[in-house]
Amino acid sequence: DIQMTQSPSSLSASVGDRVTITCRASQSVSTYLNWYQHKPGKAPNLLIYATSSLQSEVPSRFSGSGSGTDFTLTISSLQPEDFATYYCQQTYILPYTFGQGTDLEVK
Amino acid sequence: EVQLVESGGGLVKPGGSLRLSCAASGFTFSNYAMNWVRQAAGKGLEWVSYIDSSTSHTYYADSVAGRFTISRDNARNSLDLQMDRLRAEDTAVYYCARDGGGSYSPNDYWGQGTLVTVS
Repeated sequence: DIQMTQSPSSLSASVGDRVTITCRASQSVSTYLNWYQHKPGKAPNLLIYATSSLQSEVPSRFSGSGSGTDFTLTISSLQPEDFATYYCQQTYILPYTFGQGTDLEVK
Repeated sequence: EVQLVESGGGLVKPGGSLRLSCAASGFTFSNYAMNWVRQAAGKGLEWVSYIDSSTSHTYYADSVAGRFTISRDNARNSLDLQMDRLRAEDTAVYYCARDGGGSYSPNDYWGQGTLVTVS
């Protein structure tokens, strides 16, 4: 199975900050990398698919990049509603493994 | 509007069985592969199982293989997860999620989840 490792595991930031979360795969996943936002008690929400494609209705402050084994999710200017947990997921090969998550908290 | 609504969660003893269902609406269910994903309390998301649109192919996480069975009824727009020989570590919120299709298969729509407690 492909292992996905996110860093950092948690991150404190303020509204307006630029934030970057990284995701590393244990082997190449090409560009088959997706990012999700998850808030307590809610369904996870797809933000980015295929490494850098913005899902419909997701604000443009979210962006993704990378290929192979190293990927990043960037939020250009944090908004109050962005404090949540973020997950990467590879869909290159089953099982479609997730990273362990990054908790984005208010500083 | 795409909707996925899970049901069937509850409290079950170790070694017992439970069947989860996911009712789909707002899209042509038979055209999409589907997944089950779970989250234990305080833990991250864990992919559990996948079924393709025609039910020809199913896949399972090692942690549930041989105990869980995914199935679907395209006529009823329904996805199921039969869970047998349940263990305490299967306690989690279980989500059904649509495979968005195309080459990249992102989970583009999710249900609100149903809680399974094994105790």
